[in-house]
Amino acid sequence: DPKIIQKPKYLVAVTGSEKILICEQYLGHNAMYWYRQSAKKPLEFMFSYSYQKLMDNQTASSRFQPQSSKKNHLDLQITALKPDDSATYFCASSQAGQGANERLFFGHGTKLSVL
Amino acid sequence: AQSVTQPDARVTVSEGASLQLRCKYSYSGTPYLFWYVQYPRQGLQLLLKYYSGDPVVQGVNGFEAEFSKSNSSFHLRKASVHWSDSAVYFCVLSRNNYAQGLTFGLGTRVSVFP
Repeated sequence: DPKIIQKPKYLVAVTGSEKILICEQYLGHNAMYWYRQSAKKPLEFMFSYSYQKLMDNQTASSRFQPQSSKKNHLDLQITALKPDDSATYFCASSQAGQGANERLFFGHGTKLSVL
Repeated sequence: AQSVTQPDARVTVSEGASLQLRCKYSYSGTPYLFWYVQYPRQGLQLLLKYYSGDPVVQGVNGFEAEFSKSNSSFHLRKASVHWSDSAVYFCVLSRNNYAQGLTFGLGTRVSVFP
């Protein structure tokens, strides 16, 4: 029974289009994150949010915009899609502020293919 | 800048054999180190973590890892693997808190054969 739900699991898009990746967590966590895994590259940190506020942004492109409408939601809007955006996007969450006891929980990922 | 290197992309072992997965990190500060595992069609799960103290840390399912500051390493071990241990294993480095993002290795795909 997944506690972090990512929708859809698979997504095919055409170059130049816009898509939204959905992430909801039911762990009661106050921090959420997006990571990306491109082919033959390690998982790469993109964004972190705490209490619905942006904490850190390591994504250079403004085409990637996180959206947090509720405390347990952190969607990712991607505009003007490019083939290089093809990757698996992982959402994660944690209970921030626990220091050494903090633990990250990941969703199953959304695999995006841009044609 | 920090980095994590997992030199083995794939490891194949027989069921019941021992397993060691290598991990080297590069970071000038005090590292927080983790091993995460991704089973087929599942999200990543935490196996174990190291912050300080005893350099050998125990994790779930019989896994343990040993931290070495002198070697900048955090190798993962299991004495006797089971077929269900087939998965991708990621060595991960954190600076001081998750808000600044984790640094992942490329992962090692482990295949356990009967």
